[in-house]
Amino acid sequence: DTGVSQDPRHKITKRGQNVTFRCDPISEHNRLYWYRQTLGQGPEFLTYFQNEAQLEKSRLLSDRFSAERPKGSFSTLEIQRTEQGDSAMYLCASSLAMGQETQYFGPGTRLLVL
Amino acid sequence: QKEVEQDPGPLSVPEGAIVSLNCTYSNSAFQYFMWYRQYSRKGPELLMYTYSSGNKEDGRFTAQVDKSSKYISLFIRDSQPSDSATYLCAMSYNAGNMLTFGGGTRLMVKP
Repeated sequence: DTGVSQDPRHKITKRGQNVTFRCDPISEHNRLYWYRQTLGQGPEFLTYFQNEAQLEKSRLLSDRFSAERPKGSFSTLEIQRTEQGDSAMYLCASSLAMGQETQYFGPGTRLLVL
Repeated sequence: QKEVEQDPGPLSVPEGAIVSLNCTYSNSAFQYFMWYRQYSRKGPELLMYTYSSGNKEDGRFTAQVDKSSKYISLFIRDSQPSDSATYLCAMSYNAGNMLTFGGGTRLMVKP
């Protein structure tokens, strides 16, 4: 059994470039969440999907951010026209929409915008 | 003011000590309470999951929730150097909802 995986693990980009991150959830999990964590802070919720439907988006998710989960399996998070303030760890979590619904986190993608 | 407050530490204890970590929160609608452990540059790992008020024990870890005081705690018995990490409390309104995290407490257990 593999846990939640994220790719890439690290990304350095220049301001103004677009970046895309991928998350592969635990195989039978139908809920998928994206969080952002800056240094010394706890993760902050960005958005979540149940299957392919995006059910909730945070006010933190500006128009430059878009997330998809086209077939209800993996998800992508794209940031357009990156800014230095986008530098953070982007965490993905998944859960099974039944019972306790524990969220299991991936290792994160660390983004640095220069 | 943040919805969930957590002392950032660092908290430094000798090996074998009992550690007490705490969070306070402002929204009484939270019903599900979790503690995650996060090692440097890694994703959070779930330690404890509690619904509503009460205590839950798992090995060296005990979680307590006092909804009347809006206060949750995590106790670690016989602390080990491998427990050195950041501990994050998290909570949600319903199972499967987004999690609201505290800022984390950094714990250092010295041999």
